[in-house]
Formats: sequence, C-alpha cells, structure tokens
Amino acid sequence: NAGVTQTPKFQVLKTGQSMTLQCAQDMNHNSMYWYRQDPGMGLRLIYYSASEGTTDKGEVPNGYNVSRLNKREFSLRLESAAPSQTSVYFCASSLRQGGSPLHFGNGTRLTVT
Amino acid sequence: GQQLNQSPQSMFIQEGEDVSMNCTSSSIFNTWLWYKQDPGEGPVLLIALYKAGELTSNGRLTAQFGITRKDSFLNISASIPSDVGIYFCAGLNSGGSNYKLTFGKGTLLTVNP
Repeated sequence: NAGVTQTPKFQVLKTGQSMTLQCAQDMNHNSMYWYRQDPGMGLRLIYYSASEGTTDKGEVPNGYNVSRLNKREFSLRLESAAPSQTSVYFCASSLRQGGSPLHFGNGTRLTVT
Repeated sequence: GQQLNQSPQSMFIQEGEDVSMNCTSSSIFNTWLWYKQDPGEGPVLLIALYKAGELTSNGRLTAQFGITRKDSFLNISASIPSDVGIYFCAGLNSGGSNYKLTFGKGTLLTVNP
C-alpha cells in the first residue's frame, strides 16, 4: 500500500503563478488535511476535510483553496503564489475525525521566488 | 489557540546515549501523540497515549502521559544513528477532532556515531 501520496515532490514558482498540489490516499480514510511546515513554526493546519464533500478552514487558510475531489483525493491550490508561501506542504489522512492518528505523505517542497 | 512547549529544541548526542524530551501545555489534553520525521519525509506516528499516567513502550522508545494531563515525555534508550530526525509531540482535547490537534515545534535529534 502506498499510504498517502503527494505530487509533485518539489516545485519552484514565480510570484503570482498558480499551481495545485495533489494528494491521494489508499487507506479508505474519511478525513484529510493539509499542513504547512516552516522552520521554528512546527506544523500548521491550512484546510481539512472531515468527510467527502466537506471542507473547512484551519489555522492558516489565507491564500489557499482546497477541493475534496472524492474520498481518495484532496488537492490544495495556490491561486497567486507569494514568497510567504515558500514552505513544505504535507497532506495527511485519518480514518475518522477524532481519536484516530494522522498518516502523513512525504511532502511537497515549494519555493516561490 | 493552545500552545505546546516542546524542549529541547535540538540535541546532539553520541551513539549509545539515552535521550529525553518533553512537551508541556497550559491546557489539559486527553490524548498525547509522538511523531518522528526523518529527513525529507513526512511525520510517522511513534506512540499514542490516551490515559493520564499511562506509560507506553515501542522498542527502545518509552513515552509517558503526565498525571496532570498537561505534559508528556519521550525517552529513547541506547540511541543509534537512525534515530536522527525531528520528534514532534501533539495533543488533543477530550472529544476533540483531529483538526484541533496541536503540535509542538519539534526536537531535532542528531546522533554522532
């Protein structure tokens, strides 16, 4: 089993460009999440999807949009990239919203110049 | 929002030494989780704690859920080079959903062979 798969692994964007980060899980999990990881800041939740068909804002949603395409896939879109969005982005999934641990992908390393 | 204070921020140790790190909070948690992140990869769950006072082991790792429910400790015995990475604690309130999971900022562990 692949677990949580993220694409691409690396990306460089210019300010103002747009892109979509893809995430897919094969564990039949109901809930999915997008985090960003910055030095000294730990992991911060951007958006989450408690179940197929629902999405909600996390701690740092500004500048991002998400789509829960189906139960397996949860994408993160940057409409107009800014240097402040340079970060490592992690997708995660869990069987249910509460009481079940998160399983993380290996991350997308994004640089915005 | 809630904050977790994780310490130390970084540790440099010799192979074979024991390691101890901890997380404290001003808030009560009912679940404590410990994750490890290898370089270039996503966090992986090491140990989950669900009960105050609980002491749980996973190989050379031992974690404890503090009796006050405001802290947790992770110990690694007889460290080896592959223990290198960032260790994160995370806390969750009673009945809380995963989107309320609070992460510490991590402890970077370096093991010198």
